[in-house]
Amino acid sequence: DTGVSQNPRHKITKRGQNVTFRCDPISEHNRLYWYRQTLGQGPEFLTYFQNEAQLEKSRLLSDRFSAERPKGSFSTLEIQRTEQGDSAMYLCASSPRRSSGNTIYFGEGSWLTVV
Amino acid sequence: AQSVTQLGSHVSVSEGALVLLRCNYSSSVPPYLFWYVQYPNQGLQLLLKYTTGATLVKGINGFEAEFKKSETSFHLTKPSAHMSDAAEYFCAVSDPQAGTALIFGKGTTLSVSS
Repeated sequence: DTGVSQNPRHKITKRGQNVTFRCDPISEHNRLYWYRQTLGQGPEFLTYFQNEAQLEKSRLLSDRFSAERPKGSFSTLEIQRTEQGDSAMYLCASSPRRSSGNTIYFGEGSWLTVV
Repeated sequence: AQSVTQLGSHVSVSEGALVLLRCNYSSSVPPYLFWYVQYPNQGLQLLLKYTTGATLVKGINGFEAEFKKSETSFHLTKPSAHMSDAAEYFCAVSDPQAGTALIFGKGTTLSVSS
């Protein structure tokens, strides 16, 4: 069990550029979550997948944000036309289908800095 | 909708002293409650969780929390603080309206002095 893997760990981009983050969940976990965390705040839920189905996306911050999980394994989070306010850490997490008490396991996050 | 309030954004204790981090929740359904710890530049690690049954929950690193329905609280405690406990602590509630996703509080930074 290698844990939830995220890359890149750090990304600096110019305003207006698109960025994509990748998340590889724990093997055989079929639920995958994306969160955003800004300085001094708790993680903010964005979206989640069960297998390849995106079951909740109404909390994505704007239509510039999109996520995919095409084969039910890894997932990508894309931010188009980045803005300075998008600077944050983006956390991915996963859980097994029958996780007791809905425990989810987090990766180490991907830091985004928009300049 | 579920929500979590963590009272005190910063708590400072001396090494060996009691740690008490406060968490109150709001939930329209019986909640699942969690405490996570985050060290600088890292992801979140589960400390403990309450689902059903015994209201006093023991977790890793000597932490425990008690679910008090009447007070809608889930405070985190540790009898004796260690320097390595210095970190950010987050309380979370499971939100059935968002599948199994967790809703987090704003966090409490714990500082431990020698």
